[in-house]
Amino acid sequence: TQLLEQSPQFLSIQEGENLTVYCNSSSVFSSLQWYRQEPGEGPVLLVTVVTGGEVKKLKRLTFQFGDARKDSSLHITAAQPGDTGLYLCAGGGGYNTDKLIFGTGTRLQVFP
Amino acid sequence: EAQVTQNPRYLITVTGKKLTVTCSQNMNHEYMSWYRQDPGLGLRQIYYSMNVEVTDKGDVPEGYKVSRKEKRNFPLILESPSPNQTSLYFCASSLKWTYEQYFGPGTRLTVT
Repeated sequence: TQLLEQSPQFLSIQEGENLTVYCNSSSVFSSLQWYRQEPGEGPVLLVTVVTGGEVKKLKRLTFQFGDARKDSSLHITAAQPGDTGLYLCAGGGGYNTDKLIFGTGTRLQVFP
Repeated sequence: EAQVTQNPRYLITVTGKKLTVTCSQNMNHEYMSWYRQDPGLGLRQIYYSMNVEVTDKGDVPEGYKVSRKEKRNFPLILESPSPNQTSLYFCASSLKWTYEQYFGPGTRLTVT
């Protein structure tokens, strides 16, 4: 069974701090997606990375796909309370599967 | 507006009383799926459908049924709900399986 493990599981920080969330697997994926889920809502796609070593930026969020396409990271610079939410990574096109595998999630709380 | 709708949003029921959660999408997506979300376990896929009349089991299908008679609708059926099916349920659709998933707002189910 393919697994995507995220760390940390929980993160509470003050506004203005930087943080990094990790998404790791022993399997290779053809693409890696990051979603953010706010309370009472479904997850919403932030970004998709498809090339090993790829880096994508979305304002203060920087996403990186590992060279071997087994892991990914999300870095947030100068976090704001609006960044609060559950962050989920999801790997697609992994070995012997054509479906999306979701990570365990990182719950981020940013205090003003 | 492109969206996935689910109904009901909240449901409290008793063990054994059959229920159906509806899901509908207006994006003409071929792929639809159901997930359940539980604390510490992330999003787990229950069933998925690649097209009309084509459905298959996900990772946790026991106790659930689905049908796909029309492209836009993908209802989730619990024939005899049990307390361990208390969870937050999400329906999702996408163009292809590993593409961006569009999620519904969720259905919070409590089985007593």
